[in-house]
Amino acid sequence: ETGVTQSPTHLIKTRGQQVTLRCSSQSGHNTVSWYQQALGQGPQFIFQYYREEENGRGNFPPRFSGLQFPNYSSELNVNALELDDSALYLCASSAYWGNEQFFGPGTRLTVL
Amino acid sequence: GIQVEQSPPDLILQEGANSTLRCNFSDSVNNLQWFHQNPWGQLINLFYIPSGTKQNGRLSATTVATERYSLLYISSSQTTDSGVYFCAGGLPLNAGGTSYGKLTFGQGTILTVHP
Repeated sequence: ETGVTQSPTHLIKTRGQQVTLRCSSQSGHNTVSWYQQALGQGPQFIFQYYREEENGRGNFPPRFSGLQFPNYSSELNVNALELDDSALYLCASSAYWGNEQFFGPGTRLTVL
Repeated sequence: GIQVEQSPPDLILQEGANSTLRCNFSDSVNNLQWFHQNPWGQLINLFYIPSGTKQNGRLSATTVATERYSLLYISSSQTTDSGVYFCAGGLPLNAGGTSYGKLTFGQGTILTVHP
């Protein structure tokens, strides 16, 4: 059974650019959640996708958007990057939107 | 939203010592989880424990849902136990339809085990 995978591992962008992060959910899981973890903090919920629909959103601006595909993989898009967007982005999948979540290795984004 | 408080924020142990980490929640939660974050950033699932007690080797966890807290016990600590431990929880699924399984994390406990 394959766990949650994320790509890329690291990414460096400049302020104002756009970025796309990718996540493949664990086999049998239909729900994907995205979290942002700033240095020294706990992860903060960005949004969740369940069966290709956004199922809830945290306190993040609209320039953070996402997609979920029929195979339940997901993308996180961030437009107009700001310096404060530098963080570890974590993707988690679960068998249902209220169940135990399993996390991928993360993508470390640096905005210069 | 709920508030999650973890204690202690930092913990330094000698190898072989036992420790208890605590997590308090401001409201009733379900899908309560404990994680260990490794040096590369990945969150490793330790326990999914909305209530009751579970054990896995040297680790065990207890959640008292009615009193809104959870405890993680580490016995006979090893240097490989070092890292950051997080607890996280979500509101009950019938809480106004807005819980959708979102996990709210504490600030973490930084554990350092010396040989």
